[in-house]
Amino acid sequence: DGGITQSPKYLFRKEGQNVTLSCEQNLNHDAMYWYRQDPGQGLRLIYYSQIVNDFQKGDIAEGYSVSREKKESFPLTVTSAQKNPTAFYLCASSPLTGTARSGNTIYFGEGSWLTVV
Amino acid sequence: AQKITQTQPGMFVQEKEAVTLDCTYDTSDPSYGLFWYKQPSSGEMIFLIYQGSYDQQNATEGRYSLNFQKARKSANLVISASQLGDSAMYFCAMREGGIDSGYALNFGKGTSLLVTP
Repeated sequence: DGGITQSPKYLFRKEGQNVTLSCEQNLNHDAMYWYRQDPGQGLRLIYYSQIVNDFQKGDIAEGYSVSREKKESFPLTVTSAQKNPTAFYLCASSPLTGTARSGNTIYFGEGSWLTVV
Repeated sequence: AQKITQTQPGMFVQEKEAVTLDCTYDTSDPSYGLFWYKQPSSGEMIFLIYQGSYDQQNATEGRYSLNFQKARKSANLVISASQLGDSAMYFCAMREGGIDSGYALNFGKGTSLLVTP
C-alpha cells in the first residue's frame, strides 16, 4: 500500500541521549515535513525538505536535525540539546506541483510518541 | 502572530445534528489554500476537505462542507448528520507563500468535537 511509515510508534529517551525517528514514504512526493504536537498547541513545523540533500528549518528547529539522502526517507534526530522533547511527532509528505492554492494534500504518517525518562 | 485561529477548544453535538467548527486565518498572500484535518484518538491526521483562495464555490466532500468567506477570512467546517465516529480533534490549516516555503501547512490549535447519542 502507498503511504508514509513512521517508526518506532513509541520511543523512550534518557536524558542526554540522541534518538532518531524514521520516516519513509512511497508516494513519490518531493516534499517531506516533520511536525511536533504538544497538547493544546496544534502542530508546529520542525523541518521540511523539498529535494534530496536539501532541507530548511521550520518554526521550532532548535535541538533537532534531519537528513534527506533519499527521496523517500526523511529521518529526524532529536538531540540532547532539545530540552523538552516529550511530544507526538508527525511526518508528512506532499507533491510540489502548482502553487500554494493548489489542492496538493499533505499526507501524514501515524506518528511517533517520544517520552523522556 | 497566530495565522490560524480556532476559537472553540471543545464542542458538543448530538448525533444526526449538524455542527460548525470555526476557523479564521490571517494572510496577505492572494494565493493560499485552506485545509481541514481530523485527528482521532489514535493520532493519525486524516485529510477532510480543501479550499483554494481563488475557488468560487464552497468545497464539499460528502458530509463535510467548507463555508468559505474570503472577505471575513474565515473557513468554517460544517459537518452534517453527525455520527459517533466524528468524535475527534479537528484542525484547520493554511498553506501560503511561494515554493521556497515548501508549501508547509500552518495549523490552528484545534477543536475537540464530541458527538453524543
